[in-house]
Amino acid sequence: DQQVKQNSPSLSVQEGRISILNCDYTNSMFDYFLWYKKYPAEGPTFLISISSIKDKNEDGRFTVFLNKSAKHLSLHIVPSQPGDSAVYFCAASGRRGNKLVFGAGTILRVKS
Amino acid sequence: NAGVMQNPRHLVRRRGQEARLRCSPMKGHSHVYWYRQLPEEGLKFMVYLQKENIIDESGMPKERFSAEFPKEGPSILRIQQVVRGDSAAYFCASSPRQGRTNEKLFFGSGTQLSVL
Repeated sequence: DQQVKQNSPSLSVQEGRISILNCDYTNSMFDYFLWYKKYPAEGPTFLISISSIKDKNEDGRFTVFLNKSAKHLSLHIVPSQPGDSAVYFCAASGRRGNKLVFGAGTILRVKS
Repeated sequence: NAGVMQNPRHLVRRRGQEARLRCSPMKGHSHVYWYRQLPEEGLKFMVYLQKENIIDESGMPKERFSAEFPKEGPSILRIQQVVRGDSAAYFCASSPRQGRTNEKLFFGSGTQLSVL
């Protein structure tokens, strides 16, 4: 039962252009969403988050959009840089917040 | 820079042996989470512990798996009588507080368990 889905296993983008990573969820009890970035042989690193009371959160080159009615969120990276090449995981939690449900990840490749 | 420390980084076991994975949380953190990542999948929650207490073990397999976080020393994830299906990357994360901990989950680099 995949409650958090990242339907694109990989994405390739040219340096300087926008990267858009998508995530869908099925559990309406989720109210907090996060994106983590992971390099090979390292643990995931927190990138950005959004609460369900918002529809947008921005941090530098990274913006997360949340569409609650569609149960969909997306991560925008602009401009994309080669160092952004990594696996990006979408994650969600409910009100108790003590465990995250992760998507399967999207491999982002930024070509220079 | 004392981040979340996991050891060993790689662990090879034969079927039927025991695997012990260790996690030292960040300094000042008293909450530890274990996650498992199978190939081609996302991280799956296993267990959430505070010092000397298991808070949520809803993601732990019913048999062969156990976890502890003693008053002194690292958190230990123990897998008895390992099988090939246990081969995965096991990640530990820590946070300083309860409640909205997710924003401040810091992950270790993981232990890659390979069962021959």
